[in-house]
Amino acid sequence: QITLKESGPTLVKPTQTLTLTCSFSGFSLSTSGVGVGWIRQPPGKALEWLAHIYWNEDKRYSPSLKSRLTITRDTSKNQVVLTMTNMDPVDTATYYCAHFGGLDRFDYWGQGTLVTVSS
Amino acid sequence: DIQMTQSPSSLSASVGDRVTITCRASQIIGTYLNWYQHKPGTAPKLLIYGAASLQSGVPSRFSGGGSGTDFTLTITSLQPEDFATYYCQQSFSTLITFGQGTRLEIK
Repeated sequence: QITLKESGPTLVKPTQTLTLTCSFSGFSLSTSGVGVGWIRQPPGKALEWLAHIYWNEDKRYSPSLKSRLTITRDTSKNQVVLTMTNMDPVDTATYYCAHFGGLDRFDYWGQGTLVTVSS
Repeated sequence: DIQMTQSPSSLSASVGDRVTITCRASQIIGTYLNWYQHKPGTAPKLLIYGAASLQSGVPSRFSGGGSGTDFTLTITSLQPEDFATYYCQQSFSTLITFGQGTRLEIK
């Protein structure tokens, strides 16, 4: 059974760096074809893909946010970490991590974590 | 970036109705198209992958079609639990993009 769970701060101040951790079970990020991605949804807006990392450590970032994002993995801890620098109130959103399966589909999702950016 | 455009943006329908949501890609993406259902306060749920393959556990009243640039998600005989927001997502490019969503409301 594949499960994922996001953790991190619920409130960050503008200009601070956000660090979110996705802890997962039921699969290995060393398995060929597997990945973990991050997606966010600002209140009342659409889903927005942020980044994902593959089993071979290949990484992809949203072009509009690439300069602010870093995604890393720790296969021994079954975790993927996303950092986003220079946070702004427009980054207020629910942040999800998801298992990235064959045909590049997000087939298992975490429950999401709401991050508010406010001074 | 590959832009994904869904229509309509919102839709009102009744229980038992058949509805179709469309998604258009800004370039040819083959069948690298996935559909998700999202309800407030919950995680998005994968419904359809590869344009037409039903994800395990998803009711057969959901179906997907299309290829190239134009895709559809059809729900036959709407059930109360189907009222949600639906998103398409392309995976042709490793730079993933979602559509803007279609909100399906009860009439």
